[in-house]
Amino acid sequence: TQLLEQSPQFLSIQEGENLTVYCNSSSVFSSLQWYRQEPGEGPVLLVTVVTGGEVKKLKRLTFQFGDARKHSSLHITAAQPGDTGLYLCAGPPGSNYQLIWGAGTKLIIKP
Amino acid sequence: ETGVTQTPRHLVMGMTNKKSLKCEQHLGHNAMYWYKQSAKKPLELMFVYNFKEQTENNSVPSRFSPECPNSSHLFLHLHTLQPEDSALYLCASSQIRGRSTDTQYFGPGTRLTVL
Repeated sequence: TQLLEQSPQFLSIQEGENLTVYCNSSSVFSSLQWYRQEPGEGPVLLVTVVTGGEVKKLKRLTFQFGDARKHSSLHITAAQPGDTGLYLCAGPPGSNYQLIWGAGTKLIIKP
Repeated sequence: ETGVTQTPRHLVMGMTNKKSLKCEQHLGHNAMYWYKQSAKKPLELMFVYNFKEQTENNSVPSRFSPECPNSSHLFLHLHTLQPEDSALYLCASSQIRGRSTDTQYFGPGTRLTVL
């Protein structure tokens, strides 16, 4: 079974702290997408990483795709309450085009 | 109105009721999707339509019946549901089905509770 495992499942930290969440698989993915879902809304795409070893930055968010394309991480610097939400990773394993989804990391940033 | 809209936002129904969920996209996309989202579980893809044709049905029980009259509208007809069907039902659209890097745009979802 091709799975994307996200960790931690839940994280609650104070405003201003740094954090990293992970998206791991035993399978190779041709790309990985990161979404953020705020309460009462659908997921919104943040970034797509395609190349092994790729690093993308979106303001205070840094996304990495592992060299082997099995792992990805999201690092947030100086977290703010507006970063609160459910962070989901998804990707197509191998040459497939259908997305496999992780269960998400629920992030709460306390003011 | 822009993006992907879903109605109703909340729905409570009994197991013997018949109801429908509606999704509309204003993005000019050709692919539309129904997902089920349950707490602490990955999104479950239910149905996919590409150019109004159903291309995927991921072993969804027959009590869920999709309908796609055109590329902009998608319905999910519900009948004789079970309490375990309670979840957030998300609609999404993308430019075309079959490109792994295509961005999917999601609606806000319908929170369904089956009593």
